[in-house]
Amino acid sequence: QQQVKQSPQSLIVQKGGISIINCAYENTAFDYFPWYQQFPGKGPALLIAIRPDVSEKKEGRFTISFNKSAKQFSLHIMDSQPGDSATYFCAASSTGANSKLTFGKGITLSVRP
Amino acid sequence: DAGVTQSPTHLIKTRGQQVTLRCSPKSGHDTVSWYQQALGQGPQFIFQYYEEEERQRGNFPDRFSGHQFPNYSSELNVNALLLGDSALYLCASSSAYEQYFGPGTRLTVT
Repeated sequence: QQQVKQSPQSLIVQKGGISIINCAYENTAFDYFPWYQQFPGKGPALLIAIRPDVSEKKEGRFTISFNKSAKQFSLHIMDSQPGDSATYFCAASSTGANSKLTFGKGITLSVRP
Repeated sequence: DAGVTQSPTHLIKTRGQQVTLRCSPKSGHDTVSWYQQALGQGPQFIFQYYEEEERQRGNFPDRFSGHQFPNYSSELNVNALLLGDSALYLCASSSAYEQYFGPGTRLTVT
């Protein structure tokens, strides 16, 4: 049973465009939702995270939108750059961030020059 | 400030052997979690250590064990290695909300 599902599986965007990655979860006990960025041969790097008491959080070019009733959240990357080309993982955990993270399968983003 | 560090970077072992991976958490962090990431997949939670005790465990067999030292560093031990244990092993440290990952140890079992 996959508790966190990402879509699409891969994404190609032109430089300057908006990249949108979606994530759906099943466990209503989840209350912390981070996004991680991973480059080949590196560990995942925390990009941005949200708690369910807010519907949107923005940090620089990255925005998380959260829909509690639909059990979905998404990552928007504005003004996408070739350097944003990487694998993106959504994750979720319950009872605080020290609890285990459950990850989606990841999506590969390619930003074309 | 050094982030999360892991050693070794790469490791090649034979089926049936045992392996020990090491992790030093980010300064100020007291909790260490271990994850296994198979090729093309998201990380899977193995277990978490806090105050030198295993606090949570994922769906991994007893061949996977760990330890946390008084300085918060941690080890992951895997016994009786199987070909399917080949993966990137990630350590993450945290003190409150966010978990920060190290670069990982790439384990290849032949």
